[in-house]
Amino acid sequence: NAGVTQTPKFRVLKTGQSMTLLCAQDMNHEYMYWYRQDPGMGLRLIHYSVGEGTTAKGEVPDGYNVSRLKKQNFLLGLESAAPSQTSVYFCASRQTLNSGANVLTFGAGSRLTVL
Amino acid sequence: SQQGEEDPQALSIQEGENATMNCSYKTSINNLQWYRQNSGRGLVHLILIRSNEREKHSGRLRVTLDTSKKSSSLLITASRAADTASYFCATDKAGTALIFGKGTTLSVSS
Repeated sequence: NAGVTQTPKFRVLKTGQSMTLLCAQDMNHEYMYWYRQDPGMGLRLIHYSVGEGTTAKGEVPDGYNVSRLKKQNFLLGLESAAPSQTSVYFCASRQTLNSGANVLTFGAGSRLTVL
Repeated sequence: SQQGEEDPQALSIQEGENATMNCSYKTSINNLQWYRQNSGRGLVHLILIRSNEREKHSGRLRVTLDTSKKSSSLLITASRAADTASYFCATDKAGTALIFGKGTTLSVSS
């Protein structure tokens, strides 16, 4: 059981370049999330999806786009990378417990540097 | 904006000592969760406490919740070097996403 897998783990981009981060989960979870983590800022929600074919904006969506064409995959795209997007990106999927509470399973992260 | 704020930002203790970190939040919640993040890794769920609970235990972890003060504490007893990590509280308002705090970095030295 792989859980949540993120690719790539590391990437260096030049300003203006585009790229896509891939998140894959094998737990059949409906909800998936993209967070970014910056020093002193904790985790901030970029975009999320409540199911295949749906996406919604989080707290810091500007400069990012997402797609959820398949239930198991959630893609995060940067159309024109900026140095302010240098960060560690985490994908997570949500499990609903018998109690109704929701807990997250995270991937290992993707470290992106924009020069 | 962040819902939870952890305190202290950083904590250094010796092995065998207890570590206590606190979380304050702003609005009503359904539950509050604590996650651990080892260096260079993703977050891992540790423990969840529901809004109608006041205390919960799991192994060496003890979580308390005071909804009147909108605060929670995480106690790790008899700390080990392997407990060195960052700890985050996250609040669930029964919406679509958990909201995370900025974290407490715990360093346990032997």
